[in-house]
Amino acid sequence: AQRVTQPEKLLSVFKGAPVELKCNYSYSGSPELFWYVQYSRQRLQLLLRHISRESIKGFTADLNKGETSFHLKKPFAQEEDSAMYYCANLSPLNTGFQKLVFGTGTRLLVSP
Amino acid sequence: DVKVTQSSRYLVKRTGEKVFLECVQDMDHENMFWYRQDPGLGLRLIYFSYDVKMKEKGDIPEGYSVSREKKERFSLILESASTNQTSMYLCASAIWASRGLYEQYFGPGTRLTVT
Repeated sequence: AQRVTQPEKLLSVFKGAPVELKCNYSYSGSPELFWYVQYSRQRLQLLLRHISRESIKGFTADLNKGETSFHLKKPFAQEEDSAMYYCANLSPLNTGFQKLVFGTGTRLLVSP
Repeated sequence: DVKVTQSSRYLVKRTGEKVFLECVQDMDHENMFWYRQDPGLGLRLIYFSYDVKMKEKGDIPEGYSVSREKKERFSLILESASTNQTSMYLCASAIWASRGLYEQYFGPGTRLTVT
């Protein structure tokens, strides 16, 4: 079965420090990966997709097929980045439909 | 803007009660999902639906059932609530999209406590 692994439950950094939230996946096909974020008292929302190669709120994530990783990075963390972050992989089903497989999440805490 | 709403933000029920959690989306999405969110366990898929009256089991369907009579509404049913079903329940909807465009839209969640 497909798995998405986020090894850190909690990542605590100071404002202005670099941040890297780790994500590894197990999937034999071509992965389609996402980062979702949940700020305090807000709903879960999409942060970025690997296929878009975009930078959102200063965050980037590069797919590394050799290491089967999709780590989320930001060079200078801000207090407002404090949130719960989930990595997810899109899983095709033999019915032709799709579902997201989520990791267990990493809570990022940015202190002043 | 896609809107996914859930009927209750907080719910307290007694063990053995039948519990209904309702989810409504207003964007004509075919796909709808129910997850539970627990600390340290992330999001786990309970059930999903790809069309009206169609449902498929997710990773943890035991103790739950679902109903989708209309495209915009997806209900999660706890037939006989138990304390281990105390959790945050998230509903999501999505439209099938070509590679790179897939996105699930989430509701605000229902925090269910079973006493």
